[in-house]
Amino acid sequence: EDQVTQSPEALRLQEGESSSLNCSYTVSGLRGLFWYRQDPGKGPEFLFTLYSAGEEKEKERLKATLTKKESFLHITAPKPEDSATYLCAVQAGRGNKLVFGAGTILRVKS
Amino acid sequence: GAGVSQTPSNKVTEKGKYVELRCDPISGHTALYWYRQSLGQGPEFLIYFQGTGAADDSGLPNDRFFAVRPEGSVSTLKIQRTERGDSAVYLCASSRPRDTQYFGPGTRLTVL
Repeated sequence: EDQVTQSPEALRLQEGESSSLNCSYTVSGLRGLFWYRQDPGKGPEFLFTLYSAGEEKEKERLKATLTKKESFLHITAPKPEDSATYLCAVQAGRGNKLVFGAGTILRVKS
Repeated sequence: GAGVSQTPSNKVTEKGKYVELRCDPISGHTALYWYRQSLGQGPEFLIYFQGTGAADDSGLPNDRFFAVRPEGSVSTLKIQRTERGDSAVYLCASSRPRDTQYFGPGTRLTVL
């Protein structure tokens, strides 16, 4: 069974304090690993898709990387507006469904 | 362009009642997904439509849950004999075939 585990469950940072979120996965035949951002009371907002080990993608202060066992979401010099829950999901095998982790709640204080 | 829309945004019902939740996908997206998200958890897959047919309904928890997409666009998730454990946020997503899934704002269902 495909599994996704995210750590830490919650992370508090000061504005400008860089850090990383982890997403480890166990799947058969990874087709894609996805990062979403979710604000309270809203639906998940798409950030990145990674397809193969070694791939990296960047958007503003966020950078996502992928290995054969895990993905990292690096946040450089975060701002309070980066506060949200960050969700990791995998798509595997022939199916199209996403299997999500429980998320990491990020709080950035000014 | 317009994103995925879901109605109602909130639904409060009593145990044992029937509810319908609606999803309007992004125009041109042939794939439509329903997920359920409980507090503090990630979304959990329920059902996937490609066009009008349910291509994968393996996530539906039991036969009280049913979904339709009669014309290949709007979808309705139907829950019969609601139970308190059905309380959650129900999310809809749509995509082009085998492409990124874009989510709607969700419907918060509360069963009293």
